[in-house]
Amino acid sequence: AQTVTQSQPEMSVQEAETVTLSCTYDTSESDYYLFWYKQPPSRQMILVIRQEAYKQQNATENRFSVNFQKAAKSFSLKISDSQLGDAAMYFCAYRSSGGSQGNLIFGKGTKLSVKP
Amino acid sequence: DAGVTQSPTHLIKTRGQQVTLRCSPISGHKSVSWYQQVLGQGPQFIFQYYEKEERGRGNFPDRFSARQFPNYSSELNVNALLLGDSALYLCASSFTGGYEKLFFGSGTQLSVL
Repeated sequence: AQTVTQSQPEMSVQEAETVTLSCTYDTSESDYYLFWYKQPPSRQMILVIRQEAYKQQNATENRFSVNFQKAAKSFSLKISDSQLGDAAMYFCAYRSSGGSQGNLIFGKGTKLSVKP
Repeated sequence: DAGVTQSPTHLIKTRGQQVTLRCSPISGHKSVSWYQQVLGQGPQFIFQYYEKEERGRGNFPDRFSARQFPNYSSELNVNALLLGDSALYLCASSFTGGYEKLFFGSGTQLSVL
């Protein structure tokens, strides 16, 4: 069975600085998708960024980028120029390419605080 | 357009009772998924429905059931509630249930006393 591990329960960053959130996963599959979701106090899960395992190029979305290391099964999220609105829980998630789209496997999350 | 809407937002039940949670997907979305998020944990997949048929089921007991209606809205039912069922229940929708983006609602916070 696939697992997702986030080893940093909490992280803190100064406004305008850069922070990296870590995620590792375990799978025997070669084709899959990885995601980072943000969950603010409103509780709504918001997709931050998505990476297809067959793509070697790291995904980027404005201030958000990932470092995808397939051999190491590592998928970290870098947030540049951190803003107060970035404060939230961040979840790393895995989905098999052959499975139900609904079957996302989440890590336990990292709580990110942004200091003004 | 409205996003994914869930009702109620909060609910308090006692052990042994039954509960029904409701979800309305974004207009045009035909797939609905349900997740359970226990405090301090990431969401855990419960069910996915597409075109009123169950497409996937997570590792949950038979006390959990769901259905999808012709208008693509969905209900999640939990029978014989246990204290451990206390959690945030999230609903997510997408167009086809394939590989496109999932849109989540803000959830229903269920407390079982």
